[in-house]
Amino acid sequence: NAGVTQTPKFQVLKTGQSMTLQCAQDMNHNSMYWYRQDPGMGLRLIYYSASEGTTDKGEVPNGYNVSRLNKREFSLRLESAAPSQTSVYFCASCLLAEITDTQYFGPGTRLTVL
Amino acid sequence: DQQVKQNSPSLSVQEGRISILNCDYTNSMFDYFLWYKKYPAEGPTFLISISSIKDKNEDGRFTVFLNKSAKHLSLHIVPSQPGDSAVYFCAARGWGGSNYKLTFGKGTLLTVNP
Repeated sequence: NAGVTQTPKFQVLKTGQSMTLQCAQDMNHNSMYWYRQDPGMGLRLIYYSASEGTTDKGEVPNGYNVSRLNKREFSLRLESAAPSQTSVYFCASCLLAEITDTQYFGPGTRLTVL
Repeated sequence: DQQVKQNSPSLSVQEGRISILNCDYTNSMFDYFLWYKKYPAEGPTFLISISSIKDKNEDGRFTVFLNKSAKHLSLHIVPSQPGDSAVYFCAARGWGGSNYKLTFGKGTLLTVNP
């Protein structure tokens, strides 16, 4: 079991460029999440997908789009990157079958926008 | 408005002593609380949790206490070990329809000195 995997691990973009961050989980989880972590800000939810075919906005969705490609994969797209999107991005997944279910996180993608 | 607050950005303790990390929340609809641990360049990993109907949960060296009337929880680590040095995030779960979302605090950097 690889758990939650994210690609790429690192990326440098120029302002205005676009890119897609990929996330996959092999735990047959129902829900998937995208967070960003900034210094002194904790983890903030960007978008989430409660189940295949559904997506919803989180706390900081502006400038991002998501696609739940299938049950395993949840991608995050930056259409026109801005320096304010420089951050570490984490994908997470959760079975969401019991009240005590927890989220499992990937290793993160460190993105720098120049 | 920050719903989950970790007011201490950092904490330093000696190996073998107790570490106490604190967390306050404002939303009385939160029903489940979790602590995550994060090492540099890795994703957060689940540590311990507590339901809002309990006031204590213990797992080995880790104990979480919940004071619902004060909207306060704490994580106790006894005895502290150098390998415990990491950032600790407090998170609270709220329900949005049939989904579940976590709201994270900003984290506390724990340093355990040998």
